[in-house]
Amino acid sequence: QVHLMQSGTEVKKPGASVKVSCKASGSIISSYGVAWVRQAPGQGLEWMGWINVYSGYARYEQTLQDRFTMTADTSTNTVYMELRNLRSDDTAIYYCAFVPATDFPYFDFWGQGTLVTVSS
Amino acid sequence: EIVMTQSPATLSVSPGERTTLSCRASQSVSFNLAWYQHKPGEAPRLLIYGASTRAVGVPARFSGSGSGTEFTLTISSLQSEDFGFYYCQQHDNRLPTFGGGTKVE
Repeated sequence: QVHLMQSGTEVKKPGASVKVSCKASGSIISSYGVAWVRQAPGQGLEWMGWINVYSGYARYEQTLQDRFTMTADTSTNTVYMELRNLRSDDTAIYYCAFVPATDFPYFDFWGQGTLVTVSS
Repeated sequence: EIVMTQSPATLSVSPGERTTLSCRASQSVSFNLAWYQHKPGEAPRLLIYGASTRAVGVPARFSGSGSGTEFTLTISSLQSEDFGFYYCQQHDNRLPTFGGGTKVE
């Protein structure tokens, strides 16, 4: 079992940046990935990217890769996502999820979600 | 990008009924297909991966089948706690994609 704890609600203005953290605990294997998935109001799930925590290798969804970055701190098993140049359509619940196999990434355990609201 | 299409968008069912949800991929994803349940206010929950392997703790009434481009999630006897949204997701390559979801109401 893996437990993922995310940072709290954020309210940002258009053009600003947001950084959300995701701390993993429990039965963590030696090499694993963490993905970020978001859900805008009334919409479905959208994969944003994943990062291998130990190698730092990451893959990004193409439309986001210019303003989205993931980083990992192996000493604390914490992954961070930063989304820059925020727009109103970035308003969403952001989830981190545990990826047991990054070559064939599915999402085994999920964080509780972080609401990010972008509004002027 | 592999496009995933789910049908129907909404499924109206009664408790106890057998329920079948469909997912189609725009190209073959072999057996690399996952299903998730998502209820409002909660995090998504992995149900099935590898097309047919139930995740830990998932009740046996949930089963997955299919390969290539056509996949099915079956709930053998719908329980009240099964109402919500269901998403398929291909995990055949390093760029995963979700379907648009099916609402089970």
